[in-house]
Amino acid sequence: SQTIHQWPATLVQPVGSPLSLECTVEGTSNPNLYWYRQAAGRGLQLLFYSVGIGQISSEVPQNLSASRPQDRQFILSSKKLLLSDSGFYLCAWTGDRGDEQYFGPGTRLTVT
Amino acid sequence: SQQGEEDPQALSIQEGENATMNCSYKTSINNLQWYRQNSGRGLVHLILIRSNEREKHSGRLRVTLDTSKKSSSLLITASRAADTASYFCATGFNTDKLIFGTGTRLQVFP
Repeated sequence: SQTIHQWPATLVQPVGSPLSLECTVEGTSNPNLYWYRQAAGRGLQLLFYSVGIGQISSEVPQNLSASRPQDRQFILSSKKLLLSDSGFYLCAWTGDRGDEQYFGPGTRLTVT
Repeated sequence: SQQGEEDPQALSIQEGENATMNCSYKTSINNLQWYRQNSGRGLVHLILIRSNEREKHSGRLRVTLDTSKKSSSLLITASRAADTASYFCATGFNTDKLIFGTGTRLQVFP
C-alpha cells in the first residue's frame, strides 16, 4: 500500500534561518507531488507541484522553493525564513487515476 | 484567488442530526472533491463527483453537484461526534492540480 511521510512534524525556526522540509512517498511510482501551506483556520494554498523528477511548477511567487531530486521525494526549502512563512505545510500525491489527492501528516512551522 | 467557497464557515449540531455544507465555485470544472481535516492533521479524501454526475453517495455521505449554478453540497446524515472536523471542497480542472475552498468547521456535540 502507498504511504506518504513528512518530517519534521514540528519546527521552530528564527527569522533569517534556512528551511528544509522533506516529503517521501512509498508504494507508487511517478506520482504527481504537491506542497500546500495552510494558515491557521484557513484553507489550503497550493505552493508547488511536480509531475516528474526535476519538474517544478510554482503557483505563488514567494520566499520558498521546491525540488524533486528523486521520483518519490519532494523537498521544500528556503534560504531565509520570514515571519509570514509560519504555517502548516502539507505534502500530497495523486493516486493512480490522477484525481484524488492523498495527504501527509503535515509539518507545523513556527518562525520566531 | 480561491476557487471554492464553503458555506457556512462554521456549523454546530447535535449527534444524530444531519449536517449540510455548501460549496460554490467560479469556473468550469472536471470534478469536485470533498476532504475532511481533523485538527492539526492532514486532509483525508472523502468523495469525488465528476462534472457529468449530479449525485453521489458513500456511506453516510451524499454529495450533489449543480454545474449550472456552479455549486455542490455535502450532506452527512446521522452525524456522530467523530465527524467533528473541517470539511473542504476542491475543484479539479485537469489531472495536475486542485483548488481548495476555505472550509467549513463542523462541531458535533454528543
